[in-house]
Amino acid sequence: KAGVTQTPRYLIKTRGQQVTLSCSPISGHRSVSWYQQTPGQGLQFLFEYFSETQRNKGNFPGRFSGRQFSNSRSEMNVSTLELGDSALYLCASSLRDREGDTQYFGPGTRLTVL
Amino acid sequence: EDKVVQSPLSLVVHEGDTVTLNCSYEVTNFRSLLWYKQEKKAPTFLFMLTSSGIEKKSGRLSSILDKKELFSILNITATQTGDSAIYLCAVKRSSYDKVIFGPGTSLSVIP
Repeated sequence: KAGVTQTPRYLIKTRGQQVTLSCSPISGHRSVSWYQQTPGQGLQFLFEYFSETQRNKGNFPGRFSGRQFSNSRSEMNVSTLELGDSALYLCASSLRDREGDTQYFGPGTRLTVL
Repeated sequence: EDKVVQSPLSLVVHEGDTVTLNCSYEVTNFRSLLWYKQEKKAPTFLFMLTSSGIEKKSGRLSSILDKKELFSILNITATQTGDSAIYLCAVKRSSYDKVIFGPGTSLSVIP
């Protein structure tokens, strides 16, 4: 079974630009969560989608948004990029049943904002 | 506020040593605790613990949960350089709640 895939793997942007990251979950997984990981803050939860609906949201400004499509693929958008947005963005998928607590992570998108 | 605390934050050991990583938590409606290993890429799943006192083992790694004292430990015996990684502890509350990650323990195993 294919794992979680994320595109692009690396991205360089400048301040003020916007960016869209994509995540394809494991086949059959309907829940997709997004995380931002930085050396100083660790893994920070952004949001979670299930069946095209946002289930949970972390403490990030409105510049961070996401959506999920009917095939469970998800996108994350960051507008008006700031230097502090430079991070590894991880996507994780899971089932939504008794074993649904285990999240399987994609390889991440490394975003650098100049 | 819900939180997950890990200790130590970093650790350096020699190959062959045994290490114990700690994770304590304060969450309402606890459902499960998960351990992940992260090398230079995405975290990979190690264990999920839901019941107290039941040890989970995978090779040289083992983990146990104490729901009364609200903590878990991850043991690694006969460490190898390939065990060098960040070990993340995470807690999930209800089924529809987000997963809360701790800051991680950075383990370095030197030959």
